[in-house]
This record gives sequence, C-alpha cells and structure tokens, in this order.
Amino acid sequence: SQQGEEDPQALSIQEGENATMNCSYKTSINNLQWYRQNSGRGLVHLILIRSNEREKHSGRLRVTLDTSKKSSSLLITASRAADTASYFCATDFISGSARQLTFGSGTQLTVLP
Amino acid sequence: DTGVSQDPRHKITKRGQNVTFRCDPISEHNRLYWYRQTLGQGPEFLTYFQNEAQLEKSRLLSDRFSAERPKGSFSTLEIQRTEQGDSAMYLCASSLAPGTIIEQYFGPGTRLTVT
Repeated sequence: SQQGEEDPQALSIQEGENATMNCSYKTSINNLQWYRQNSGRGLVHLILIRSNEREKHSGRLRVTLDTSKKSSSLLITASRAADTASYFCATDFISGSARQLTFGSGTQLTVLP
Repeated sequence: DTGVSQDPRHKITKRGQNVTFRCDPISEHNRLYWYRQTLGQGPEFLTYFQNEAQLEKSRLLSDRFSAERPKGSFSTLEIQRTEQGDSAMYLCASSLAPGTIIEQYFGPGTRLTVT
C-alpha cells in the first residue's frame, strides 16, 4: 500500500498562477522527496528535504515539511504550461538491510496556457 | 552515459507468456531498483540490488517474478506466465548511495500490456 497520499488528486490552474500540492505520510521518515512524471515517462527528482529541515527552495519550487503533522507541501510559483505533469512525494523508511522509497498516489497538475 | 535506459519501452504479450525486461543503470551507480506503476498510482517498490546482490524483495514480487543483476551492472526482470493483472509500467531506477538514501534516477519505463 502507498505510504503517502497527495492532495489534491488533480489540480488545474492558469499559467502564471501558483500551484500547491500536499502530501501526508504515516510513519517516521528520514527524508521526503518530490518527483515529477510527465505522461508515460519516468520520474524526475525535484527536491529532497531532510527530517530536520522545515523549508527548502529550489528555483520556482518551495517545499515545506511538518514532521509533527507528518505532512509536506510543494509550491510551484509562476507556473508554466511545461509544469503540466504528475507530482509524487516519496518517503524513505528503513526496511531490512536497505532503505527504499515509498511513493504517494500523486497529484496531476494541469497548467493551462 | 546520459541516464538510466530500459528496453523495451513497450511490450504487448498474451496471457501465459513469459516476458523479460532489461535495465541499464547509470554506470557508476551501485544501487538498482525495480518499481511497478499502475495507472493513476505512484510507483510501488518491487526489489532492490546493491551491486549484484538482491537485498530486498517486496511482497508484490510473486514467485512468477524474478530479477537478476549478474555482474552488478545491468539488470533483468522476468515475469513468467503473465496475467492480465501484470499490465503496468515497470520502472527501473539507480542511485549511488553508500549510506543514506538519496535521490533515485529513473529510466523511462517499460509499459507491459497483457492481453
């Protein structure tokens, strides 16, 4: 089963607007990552935030992490049509001898030109 | 080396047939992961290699599934006696992580359709 859940499942905005996606997870984590997936393609890593960090920026991306609420948000500012994609949060937890990523179900973002 | 590659990109097979997918990771990466992704869902972890050793297998990986990474470079994922429920995108990822987990680099995926 999926560890995380993204909210909303789908989001449609106009170019230039900001897009906010939320992710909730269930177990304690070491870090949380956000990935983007264009339709029918592989995932591309966007940003990683460690459990002891509260906010991180990368270009037009801003990620927050609230470990007390087990939630994270991804903000994309000044959205562009090229930002249209599915966005997934992924958390890591220790399982056996290795760490693996557990993905949420994703938010489908559509940016209208 | 520009990234993780997977072959084939698409595979259509009839129920009961065997299929094999290949993944070539980024050359210096020692960790390789296989995931399965169904429509509208995030990737689900299947199995993981560090070099040639398969260190972790998900409960999703039934006996019909087998993965290998014989020389610690490329990996293959075989599905025997395919079922319609096996239809999905199979994603491979690699990383170079001596200790803590870091970002994974994904290939484009192999889309399997079982008819």
